[in-house]
Amino acid sequence: QKEVEQDPGPLSVPEGAIVSLNCTYSNSAFQYFMWYRQYSRKGPELLMYTYSSGNKEDGRFTAQVDKSSKYISLFIRDSQPSDSATYLCALRKGGSEKLVFGKGTKLTVNP
Amino acid sequence: DAGVIQSPRHEVTEMGQEVTLRCKPISGHDYLFWYRQTMMRGLELLIYFNNNVPIDDSGMPEDRFSAKMPNASFSTLKIQPSEPRDSAVYFCGVGRDNEQFFGPGTRLTVL
Repeated sequence: QKEVEQDPGPLSVPEGAIVSLNCTYSNSAFQYFMWYRQYSRKGPELLMYTYSSGNKEDGRFTAQVDKSSKYISLFIRDSQPSDSATYLCALRKGGSEKLVFGKGTKLTVNP
Repeated sequence: DAGVIQSPRHEVTEMGQEVTLRCKPISGHDYLFWYRQTMMRGLELLIYFNNNVPIDDSGMPEDRFSAKMPNASFSTLKIQPSEPRDSAVYFCGVGRDNEQFFGPGTRLTVL
């Protein structure tokens, strides 16, 4: 079983839709949870960083962590064509700086 | 790209040749990372440094790979000899305040 599982998609939605992206993980040692956005042929860009269970909101983006279920989500409200990218979840254990990434979900928002 | 300069941006070489990838972080940081991204394996940590000291090199594939950080503003990742399976995008990143930021990457093709 992989440490982090992420549905690769692709996911295609109309502009204005609410997008839900998810990752599951198997090791309860993961304590830090991040979402990165990666445009084609670019480096990953940090979107959200959370430590505890619960929700964190930043503009149109909401990150949700459920440690009891080992499940993390990223919601995008009012999606825009500029949101079209690959979204990667990344997890980190306490005491280490190593990020373990999901394979990424490719999102296309159609005008 | 989070104040990280990587060079070259693209590298095409032949099997057996030595390849050196370079990273120059511009802004202050506590950690420096080398990641590799492929379609098959996704984004994986190769090695990271803290205050120029290698902390975790468990992701370095084999002895053909080596990384150095002679000072806070420069790091290299060397592959000698290179093989076609080394073809990937190599990202350098920096970490501070529990967050990690990535450079634009070097796209390596080994023929």
